[in-house]
Amino acid sequence: GNSVTQMEGPVTLSEEAFLTINCTYTATGYPSLFWYVQYPGEGLQLLLKATKADDKGSNKGFEATYRKETTSFHLEKGSVQVSDSAVYFCALRGETSGSRLTFGEGTQLTVNP
Amino acid sequence: KAGVTQTPRYLIKTRGQQVTLSCSPISGHRSVSWYQQTPGQGLQFLFEYFSETQRNKGNFPGRFSGRQFSNSRSEMNVSTLELGDSALYLCASSPIFRSYEQYFGPGTRLTVT
Repeated sequence: GNSVTQMEGPVTLSEEAFLTINCTYTATGYPSLFWYVQYPGEGLQLLLKATKADDKGSNKGFEATYRKETTSFHLEKGSVQVSDSAVYFCALRGETSGSRLTFGEGTQLTVNP
Repeated sequence: KAGVTQTPRYLIKTRGQQVTLSCSPISGHRSVSWYQQTPGQGLQFLFEYFSETQRNKGNFPGRFSGRQFSNSRSEMNVSTLELGDSALYLCASSPIFRSYEQYFGPGTRLTVT
């Protein structure tokens, strides 16, 4: 079946530091890949997506590239802010899964001023 | 445009009782999915409805059921509650079946005592 593995957390960074959160997946065919963010007390918000190999998703300074050869979709941001503190989830939607998302474990990011 | 609405936001029930949670999707959206979020299991897919039909179901026991009405509003029901059912239940809506864009509500926090 489909699965997503995220790097162990939590991650603590200083403001303006570089962020990488690793995500790898297992799926047959060509899934669509997503990063969602969850702020305290809220639901999930779609951060970015990539629907085919070599696509780069980007939003609010965050980027991730769909790498089919390494089955990865790592999230990066060049300079994090305190307001980026949240839980980040990597997710995939399989080719035959309808709208069903399979999520990784989530990575708690804390950015200190 | 109003977002996804979930009611109630918080709920406390006793083991053995049953509970019904409600989700109102974004106006015009016809697909609704439900997820359970717990610290131990993370985010897990429950089921997906489109045009009043269940299109997809996750690996949950039959105590978990759902339905969708003609106005796209959805309810999920859990019968014979167990302590392990304590979780944040998230609803997500999308305009069509297999849409890349899913919009999550704030969730219903269920506590079973």
